[in-house]
Amino acid sequence: GESVGLHLPTLSVQEGDNSIINCAYSNSASDYFIWYKQESGKGPQFIIDIRSNMDKRQGQRVTVLLNKTVKHLSLQIAATQPGDSAVYFCAENKRYNAGNMLTFGGGTRLMVKP
Amino acid sequence: EPEVTQTPSHQVTQMGQEVILRCVPISNHLYFYWYRQILGQKVEFLVSFYNNEISEKSEIFDDQFSVERPDGSNFTLKIRSTKLEDSAMYFCASRVGAGKNIQYFGAGTRLSVL
Repeated sequence: GESVGLHLPTLSVQEGDNSIINCAYSNSASDYFIWYKQESGKGPQFIIDIRSNMDKRQGQRVTVLLNKTVKHLSLQIAATQPGDSAVYFCAENKRYNAGNMLTFGGGTRLMVKP
Repeated sequence: EPEVTQTPSHQVTQMGQEVILRCVPISNHLYFYWYRQILGQKVEFLVSFYNNEISEKSEIFDDQFSVERPDGSNFTLKIRSTKLEDSAMYFCASRVGAGKNIQYFGAGTRLSVL
């Protein structure tokens, strides 16, 4: 069936290094994708999104890349900080008759070592 | 900054009991959602709500679940007869309306069914 999934469940990086979190999706009908950050004890927090007609989008210290050929999405965090430690989820948006629905991937835990 | 608020933060109940989880979405938002997250797993869509009716629901959202917007501010999820497997974090989310499906999440309610 169609699904959104992640390649690495845990990523450990040194403070100051760049982080890359990956996500694979299988529904080519998804019109855009969102990255969420979830800190311990909190709900998912919107980070950045990208439409399916784009390849790259940059935010503050974060960049999302979309490769539709291989149905792959990545989140790059520049100069990773301890405050970036969290679980990161990609989510794909699907349209249906009455609106939209997000389907989340399985999550990657980012651990930043000081 | 406006935020989605959920109460209680933790609900403990006996199997078979009814629970009501409460959410106050962001005030000018029109679309409302409930998700659940079993410990260590991904966020799963339950139901979406717009214009005082359910617009989409997942297979998880069976007859034991119901949602209601009893007034202009609250959005509730009721589980009629809780089961052990209903133990999870339940997140409420809302979004403004037309345009991109960027949903803003509350901090969640942890439901523990004993």
